[in-house]
Amino acid sequence: GIQVEQSPPDLILQEGANSTLRCNFSDSVNNLQWFHQNPWGQLINLFYIPSGTKQNGRLSATTVATERYSLLYISSSQTTDSGVYFCAVVGRGGSEKLVFGKGTKLTVNP
Amino acid sequence: GAVVSQHPSWVICKSGTSVKIECRSLDFQATTMFWYRQFPKQSLMLMATSNEGSKATYEQGVEKDKFLINHASLTLSTLTVTSAHPEDSSFYICSARGGLDLMNTEAFFGQGTRLTVV
Repeated sequence: GIQVEQSPPDLILQEGANSTLRCNFSDSVNNLQWFHQNPWGQLINLFYIPSGTKQNGRLSATTVATERYSLLYISSSQTTDSGVYFCAVVGRGGSEKLVFGKGTKLTVNP
Repeated sequence: GAVVSQHPSWVICKSGTSVKIECRSLDFQATTMFWYRQFPKQSLMLMATSNEGSKATYEQGVEKDKFLINHASLTLSTLTVTSAHPEDSSFYICSARGGLDLMNTEAFFGQGTRLTVV
């Protein structure tokens, strides 16, 4: 099945800093989503982005499907951005399953 | 975005008892729902795919007799952990997608259920 790798596994920032999280996938995808898991475990949808670029406030994402990677940008980070960021994909092999990467744990210090 | 509600948020049960977790899509019809399990500091692992009106499809290694899944309507799926044991303690999360083209549809997640078996 499709493999999803996220980097870095851990990231520590000072408030106000910018960061880039990366998601590599091993095959073509129909669906790619970025999530933020908050301290209570809730998965918050950030972007549905199988290709192209999207922006939502301080967050933006770019997926280059032909090169099999996606990037999540966080600008002017805040302490509330802390948590785990997951990338998840649905491969084009016919499966409808959403496969998750291992996540990037982000800690933003005041 | 669409709303998926999961209940209960947390539950403590005695070893040997069964626990039912509900997952509801509140503002859309979910033809398919997915159940995930997450251990501490790990990613989400798919347990099973639940289709309305038919039997669930379980991932390899998941005991279908222990984790009973029912998808009786387009808005409700339930996961029952039968004869729970301490090793079943985990965070269980459901996901729902609507429409017929699931490969190209955004997934939404419930709040999760933290199960502790004592």
